[in-house]
Amino acid sequence: EVQLVESGGGLIQPGGSLRLSCAVSGLTISSYEMNWVRQAPGKGLEWVSFISSSGDTRHYGDSVKGRFTISRDNAKSSLYLQMDSLRGDDTAVYYCATETGYAFDIWGQGTMVTVSS
Amino acid sequence: QSALTQPASVSGSPGQSITLSCVGTSSDIGGYQYVSWYQQFPGRAPRLLIYEVMYRPSGVSHRFSGSKSGNTASLTISGLQAEDEADYFCASYTTTGTPVFGGGTKVTVL
Repeated sequence: EVQLVESGGGLIQPGGSLRLSCAVSGLTISSYEMNWVRQAPGKGLEWVSFISSSGDTRHYGDSVKGRFTISRDNAKSSLYLQMDSLRGDDTAVYYCATETGYAFDIWGQGTMVTVSS
Repeated sequence: QSALTQPASVSGSPGQSITLSCVGTSSDIGGYQYVSWYQQFPGRAPRLLIYEVMYRPSGVSHRFSGSKSGNTASLTISGLQAEDEADYFCASYTTTGTPVFGGGTKVTVL
């Protein structure tokens, strides 16, 4: 069974940092491009970041560029999102998702990040 | 990149067909065959319904179909069922090389 399991979310003060992890099982992660997508409470989906299968190429949404860093460790079947300089509008459920043919085909269950003092 | 435009809500009676629209521009929907649709139930992760405008992943009901005309993509749900009540999001690849989502449509089964 394919599973993506996010972890690392929690309550953090504005200006703080968090590192999210996504543990992948049931598939060969090195064959997949990966993304982070977030959803603020009661709102729609927002694409956050992309990383190629090898890790050579990374893209970021305008709202997180310069503050968030995506990375991966294929040997550990894991994806990461380092989030720095967190703001209130970063409060959201963060999902990791595989990408195939420019579609997000397998999703994790999400991890909640709350930025508040 | 601006979000794609979706109606906030669409409703229909059981057995009816409904169509959800997703309006973009020539820089996203109109320029590529990379439109996807997602279904999301409250408190759950999204699920891929349609990719590359019209293709269904294995396990997705044939009642869901996708199409595109110009800068507008559409998702049609045929034979509407109570279990289809959920939020639906469209997404498209863009000229910036990154994806963009629509704001989502809440489907209500009357």
